[in-house]
Amino acid sequence: DTGVSQDPRHKITKRGQNVTFRCDPISEHNRLYWYRQTLGQGPEFLTYFQNEAQLEKSRLLSDRFSAERPKGSFSTLEIQRTEQGDSAMYLCASRGLEKLFFGSGTQLSVL
Amino acid sequence: ILNVEQSPQSLHVQEGDSTNFTCSFPSSNFYALHWYRWETAKSPEALFVMTLNGDEKKKGRISATLNTKEGYSYLYIKGSQPEDSATYLCAFVGNAGNMLTFGGGTRLMVKP
Repeated sequence: DTGVSQDPRHKITKRGQNVTFRCDPISEHNRLYWYRQTLGQGPEFLTYFQNEAQLEKSRLLSDRFSAERPKGSFSTLEIQRTEQGDSAMYLCASRGLEKLFFGSGTQLSVL
Repeated sequence: ILNVEQSPQSLHVQEGDSTNFTCSFPSSNFYALHWYRWETAKSPEALFVMTLNGDEKKKGRISATLNTKEGYSYLYIKGSQPEDSATYLCAFVGNAGNMLTFGGGTRLMVKP
């Protein structure tokens, strides 16, 4: 068990570019979550997978955001046509029976 | 949109002080309440998962209580130490059991 890993740790991009983040969950966990956190706020829910099925997606999320979890293993989160308001920490977590195990997050800065 | 609120937003205490903070959440459709600690430059880590009204959990100097009927949980830290400095997050889980909605967190700073 190597924990949840996220890549990259930091991403700086220009407004209008597309970015993709990867999350590798704990291997036996079938539930995977993406959250976004901005300074001074708690983590905001983005989307949730059970195995490869995306079961929930935040209504606050624009169509520029998409997530996948092919084969129920790793997951990717893509943001198209980034905006400055997308600058945040993007956290991935996997869940076995109860608690969440978080990755270190990807810090996105949109210039 | 579920309303999960934490107070205070931030707290400065001296080493050795005991402290507590609050998480309030919807009193209907309750499944579980989680507490996490998030230290700077690290990942959030689970402290407690609480499911039963009246539940009390303890881990070293940290303890938590749960009141599902009125929709609140308290986190207590006895004899705060500088290493307790972190953001403490609570998360409400509704009765589907899958969705976790986080509060805004309480940022605790313990001065030596």
